[in-house]
Amino acid sequence: NAGVMQNPRHLVRRRGQEARLRCSPMKGHSHVYWYRQLPEEGLKFMVYLQKENIIDESGMPKERFSAEFPKEGPSILRIQQVVRGDSAAYFCASSVGRKQYFGPGTRLTVT
Amino acid sequence: KQEVTQIPAALSVPEGENLVLNCSFTDSAIYNLQWFRQDPGKGLTSLLLIQSSQREQTSGRLNASLDKSSGRSTLYIAASQPGDSATYLCAVTRYRAGGTSYGKLTFGQGTILTVHP
Repeated sequence: NAGVMQNPRHLVRRRGQEARLRCSPMKGHSHVYWYRQLPEEGLKFMVYLQKENIIDESGMPKERFSAEFPKEGPSILRIQQVVRGDSAAYFCASSVGRKQYFGPGTRLTVT
Repeated sequence: KQEVTQIPAALSVPEGENLVLNCSFTDSAIYNLQWFRQDPGKGLTSLLLIQSSQREQTSGRLNASLDKSSGRSTLYIAASQPGDSATYLCAVTRYRAGGTSYGKLTFGQGTILTVHP
């Protein structure tokens, strides 16, 4: 059973461009979480999704960020008009029960 | 609002030593607590998960305890090895009425552990 997959692993964007981060949960997992780790800061929750539903988006910035988990395909975290402050590691986790399993992360650099 | 604190922020020990990492949380209404390991530039590996009704969990040289009433957990590492060098993270999920959780993890800042030969 493959683990949580994230791609790309590294992403470089210029200010103002869009960033799309993908997460494929473990097989059989229907819950997906996104977390962000800013430089020199801890991991912070962003959004919790189940198939076709956003369950909790209390950690998402109000503007420019969105997330989806369609019926088919990976979960997508989308950042529009990126700014330098968006540079961070973005981690996805999936679960089917109590334990969350993390992917390797996508490291976003905004130049 | 749940806050998780880990002490110490960094720890350097010689190989073979037994050590304890500390985690405290402000809201005792937790559903479970997880300890993770993060290697530089890598993702998180789950080490141990303690449910709110449990007092401790063990895996190999690792033992994690939970005292929910005092808001504390410890991770004990026996006979440390250089390969144990990593950042150790503690995280909790909040209990929701009905016996479920809110799902999201609240993390501490981590303890950077260095085990030197």
